[in-house]
Amino acid sequence: AQSVTQLGSHVSVSEGALVLLRCNYSSSVPPYLFWYVQYPNQGLQLLLKYTTGATLVKGINGFEAEFKKSETSFHLTKPSAHMSDAAEYFCAVTGYGGATNKLIFGTGTLLAVQP
Amino acid sequence: DVKVTQSSRYLVKRTGEKVFLECVQDMDHENMFWYRQDPGLGLRLIYFSYDVKMKEKGDIPEGYSVSREKKERFSLILESASTNQTSMYLCAATGMNTEAFFGQGTRLTVV
Repeated sequence: AQSVTQLGSHVSVSEGALVLLRCNYSSSVPPYLFWYVQYPNQGLQLLLKYTTGATLVKGINGFEAEFKKSETSFHLTKPSAHMSDAAEYFCAVTGYGGATNKLIFGTGTLLAVQP
Repeated sequence: DVKVTQSSRYLVKRTGEKVFLECVQDMDHENMFWYRQDPGLGLRLIYFSYDVKMKEKGDIPEGYSVSREKKERFSLILESASTNQTSMYLCAATGMNTEAFFGQGTRLTVV
């Protein structure tokens, strides 16, 4: 079974500051992990994904995430926040094959960027 | 690009009605999902299907059922709509090693 915990439903940073959004997962099989972003009144857009291979994954808009198996974490970071990064961010986990393909999302983290 | 199409953007239904939400994908993906999205609760999985006629309950299946008679189509059924089922409903499809492709969403209001 898969589950996702996103710590912090609201995160506020200053423009230019580091963005860190936390995601911890649970999975009974090797996980595939995703981060999505949702801007107001829009659909979900894929930021980045981890399936296999390199544990540091780079995505769009300068975001990256590191898969840490020992910590069951997949935190999202961006070195310098921009006003346009204000949005809601969702972490998701799935397995592979049959019933483990269940794709589970976290409850989301709303990122505010202060000028 | 995979296209996932939901049959309606907006629906208004009366309490007790049977409601059908349809979702069609055009890329032969194995897995299809139905979620509801509510503020502060994220996307909660209602049901998913990993093959034709195969279905698995998600976290909140009560009051819902699904049908997948063909690979490209995944239907969500509200057996007897209630006001607490007012929500945004999202359909998604995934294949092997792929991210989820979402439909545009159906905003359902039950009055």
